[in-house]
Amino acid sequence: QKEVEQDPGPLSVPEGAIVSLNCTYSNSAFQYFMWYRQYSRKGPELLMYTYSSGNKEDGRFTAQVDKSSKYISLFIRDSQPSDSATYLCAFQNNFNKFYFGSGTKLNVKP
Amino acid sequence: DGGITQSPKYLFRKEGQNVTLSCEQNLNHDAMYWYRQDPGQGLRLIYYSQIVNDFQKGDIAEGYSVSREKKESFPLTVTSAQKNPTAFYLCASSIPGVNQPQHFGDGTRLSIL
Repeated sequence: QKEVEQDPGPLSVPEGAIVSLNCTYSNSAFQYFMWYRQYSRKGPELLMYTYSSGNKEDGRFTAQVDKSSKYISLFIRDSQPSDSATYLCAFQNNFNKFYFGSGTKLNVKP
Repeated sequence: DGGITQSPKYLFRKEGQNVTLSCEQNLNHDAMYWYRQDPGQGLRLIYYSQIVNDFQKGDIAEGYSVSREKKESFPLTVTSAQKNPTAFYLCASSIPGVNQPQHFGDGTRLSIL
């Protein structure tokens, strides 16, 4: 079983839709949870990070962590064409090691 | 502006050739990392360094080498022993310790001639 599972997509939505991106993980030692956005031919850009279960909101973005189910989500409200990118989930354990999902490609159509 | 600069953006390697990818950061971060990104796969850790003059192998270090002579710089050499070097290489840095996210450069695309 992979330590991180992320649906590769592509996910195609109309402009203005609510987008839900998800990752599951199997390692209970993961303590720190991140979402990165990666545009084509660019490096990942940190969007959200949290270490606790529950929701964290930043503008149109909400990160949700459910440690009991080992499941994290990123919600994007009022999606825009500029949100079209690949979204990577990432995890950090107690030994400062990072684990990354393979990314979900999102396309927001005008 | 603080950030991580990777160069060159595109690089081509001939058979039997070693090539070096540059990574420079002005974020004053102690920790630096090299990842390889292949289509459909998560980032895979090649090498990391928590402090100057010290570095450790990651999950896929074979065929690669690094040095860390300065805090700001962490170059990666892809040697001829790396038989499948075509990939997107990403350099990252962070403040050492748990609960400190990594910040990435814009990558180098390496291809075989």
